[in-house]
Amino acid sequence: QVQLKESGPGLVQPSETLSLTCTVSGFSLTSYSVSWVRQPSGKGPEWMGRMWYDGDTAYNSALKSRLSISRDTSKNQVFLKMNSLQTDDTGTYYCTRDGPLTTSFAYWGQGTLVTVSS
Amino acid sequence: DIQMTQSPASLSASLGETVTIECLASEDIYSNLAWYQQKPGKSPQLLIYDASSLQDGVPSRFSGSESGTQYSLEINSLQSEDAATYFCQQHHDYPPTFGGGTKLELK
Repeated sequence: QVQLKESGPGLVQPSETLSLTCTVSGFSLTSYSVSWVRQPSGKGPEWMGRMWYDGDTAYNSALKSRLSISRDTSKNQVFLKMNSLQTDDTGTYYCTRDGPLTTSFAYWGQGTLVTVSS
Repeated sequence: DIQMTQSPASLSASLGETVTIECLASEDIYSNLAWYQQKPGKSPQLLIYDASSLQDGVPSRFSGSESGTQYSLEINSLQSEDAATYFCQQHHDYPPTFGGGTKLELK
């Protein structure tokens, strides 16, 4: 079955770089797109960016200058790197997959909590 | 960016009742609207996509509709497990954007 799992550090220092990994199973990264979505506690989600099935990327313009998404298809992994972290980057970070019939987010990982604090 | 204004922010209803949650898009999104349910400590789960298409495995008491740029999620015959926060999301234009959420409490 389709599974996504995020991994990475739970605590990041202000001004440092966040690196997260999404490991997927049950589908191919060359057939489906994977997005990163984050959610501050008690607020609505925010789409960050997408790795398309063909290797192309799309970013939220609000984050584009700080964000990079890449992948390793041989390892079934998608990577997120975001620099210059601030306290308002604290939240739960999810990787998600499009559905077979929709570009909305049909599958979600369990999420990983990232806290930006010194 | 397309703004999604969701209402109400919270509501309380009894078992068996019917509730409606609404989402107003700042411009035409051509039915490219999804609804999600999120329970505390859990990931959001897709309920409806393309405004009215039910995601596989979602109970038929959930339904979606639209009128112009106003989209609605209706939950019939409320069950205890429906207590959650619900979000709308447009997937018509980049960036995909979400509403602020509606917290549904069961009396």
